[in-house]
Amino acid sequence: SQTIHQWPATLVQPVGSPLSLECTVEGTSNPNLYWYRQAAGRGLQLLFYSVGIGQISSEVPQNLSASRPQDRQFILSSKKLLLSDSGFYLCAWSVGGSVNYGYTFGSGTRLTVV
Amino acid sequence: SQQGEEDPQALSIQEGENATMNCSYKTSINNLQWYRQNSGRGLVHLILIRSNEREKHSGRLRVTLDTSKKSSSLLITASRAADTASYFCATDPRGGNTPLVFGKGTRLSVIA
Repeated sequence: SQTIHQWPATLVQPVGSPLSLECTVEGTSNPNLYWYRQAAGRGLQLLFYSVGIGQISSEVPQNLSASRPQDRQFILSSKKLLLSDSGFYLCAWSVGGSVNYGYTFGSGTRLTVV
Repeated sequence: SQQGEEDPQALSIQEGENATMNCSYKTSINNLQWYRQNSGRGLVHLILIRSNEREKHSGRLRVTLDTSKKSSSLLITASRAADTASYFCATDPRGGNTPLVFGKGTRLSVIA
């Protein structure tokens, strides 16, 4: 069966520090991968998505970046965090190349920038 | 951009009652999906309804879709305290391999 792992679960980082959040998927090949951010009490904002290795689409201009070095690995990074980067970050995957499939989400990373 | 908008923003009911949440969207879609999120956790996929379907059931869940009105509803029957969570609709816009667009969610509280 397919599983998705996202870590760490919580993170407190000072302003200006770097960030690296990792997401891996098991049990499937060529998944579509997504990073969403959720502000407190709000909906999900799409940050990045990828349909293949090295293919990254960015939805929102910001100081975050994403990379997909392997088929089932998706990394969210920042060189210098801002206070506004605080939030709940969610990684998700879906079946690649097809519509009419749901997303499977990781358990999320709560990031607090202080 | 926000495609789906849920209504109401918050709903509080007694255990055993039915809960109805609505979702409106703006563009043509391939499908519409409903997700559940417990506090501080990831989202869990509940049900997907395709654009050519009008109603779908899964256990105590019933989803309807009216593409002419660009709206959907999620009905949870015989609610339980464990149904307390936020519920999100998400639309899969027609026309390309574009990601789901989520609404802001309905916060459901089921009181025992």
